[in-house]
This record gives sequence, C-alpha cells and structure tokens, in this order.
Amino acid sequence: ELKVEQNPLFLSMQEGKNYTIYCNYSTTSDRLYWYRQDPGKSLESLFVLLSNGAVKQEGRLMASLDTKARLSTLHITAAVHDLSATYFCAVARSGTYKYIFGTGTRLKVLA
Amino acid sequence: EPEVTQTPSHQVTQMGQEVILRCVPISNHLYFYWYRQILGQKVEFLVSFYNNEISEKSEIFDDQFSVERPDGSNFTLKIRSTKLEDSAMYFCASSARQGSNEKLFFGSGTQLSVL
Repeated sequence: ELKVEQNPLFLSMQEGKNYTIYCNYSTTSDRLYWYRQDPGKSLESLFVLLSNGAVKQEGRLMASLDTKARLSTLHITAAVHDLSATYFCAVARSGTYKYIFGTGTRLKVLA
Repeated sequence: EPEVTQTPSHQVTQMGQEVILRCVPISNHLYFYWYRQILGQKVEFLVSFYNNEISEKSEIFDDQFSVERPDGSNFTLKIRSTKLEDSAMYFCASSARQGSNEKLFFGSGTQLSVL
C-alpha cells in the first residue's frame, strides 16, 4: 500500500525566514504533486514533479524530487504572511491515477 | 480561467437519507474524480471515472456510493444511505487527460453534514 508522509505537520515561522517541508512516499511513483489549501477552500495545484532531480520554482516556493530516496521537498524562502496555508503533497503510483495525499503541513507565517 | 463547479456548497442531511452531490467539470476534460476530506484530516481518494465507467475506486467507495455522468456535463456522487462518518468535505476534480503531465483541477467542495 502506498503511504505518503509529510513533516512537519505544523510549522510556525517568522516572516523572512526559510524553511523546508518534507514529503516521503513508500513505493515507486512517476509523479508527485504539491497543493496548497487555504482554510475552507479547495486545493490549488502548485507543482508537478515528474523525474528524478526535477526542481520547480514559483515565487518564494521551490519544490524538488529525489525518486531514489522517495523524497520531495518544498522549500520556502523569505516567508511572507500570504504563504500561510496547508500544503499537501500527493503521489500516484506508476500506472495509476489514484492520488494518495500526504497528511498535510499547516504553515503559519507570523508577522 | 475555467473551473470545476460544485453544488451545493453545504448539505445537511439525516442519517439514512440519500444525498446527491453535483459537479460540473471543466468542459473539455475527460477524467473525473471524487475525493473527500474529513475535518482536519488528509484528502482521501474515492473514485476516478472515464468514458462512462469507473476506472479506480478506493475501499471507502463501497456499495453505498455511486457515480454518474447523466448528461455529458454533470458528474454526480450519490450516497444511498448516509452514515455519520460520511460527514466530510467532498471535492470533485477533473483533468484533461491522464498523461504524466496532467494536473487535477479541484472544485471548491461540498461540505456534507450527516446528523
């Protein structure tokens, strides 16, 4: 069974600081996604990572994928309050389109 | 920008009643999904649907659940006899294809409360 774990579950950080969220998954996958969810809202797609070593950046967020370690990271640079949200990674096993979501990381950026 | 639309945004029902949650996927999308999220917990896959049939389903998607695309635009999730534990936010999603670069677009969700 494919399992996806994120850490930390909760993250409170000061504006201007850097931090990394980790996503580990248990079996072979050919794609990994990062989503953002604001309270009471839907899921917004941030990144899709398809291959080992893939790196994508959008604004203050950068995501990377290491398929050998079965690890993805979401790095936050110089955090701002607007980044406060819950971030999920999601993985689909090769040959299937059933996404398995991680537990989520609730990020709070303090002014 | 095109979006996935879900109705109603909130649904309150009595235990044992049937509910139908409705979704209008993005118009040129061919693949459809239902997920749910129990308050404060992770998002769980329920079912995927393509070409008028279920592609995959999870163990949550038992005989009480069914999906349908009745008219070429709507995509519905029916729960025949709701249970308290069915209370959750239900998200519909769609994608244009199922290639490696596909992205799921999620609707804003229906909050189902079973009393």
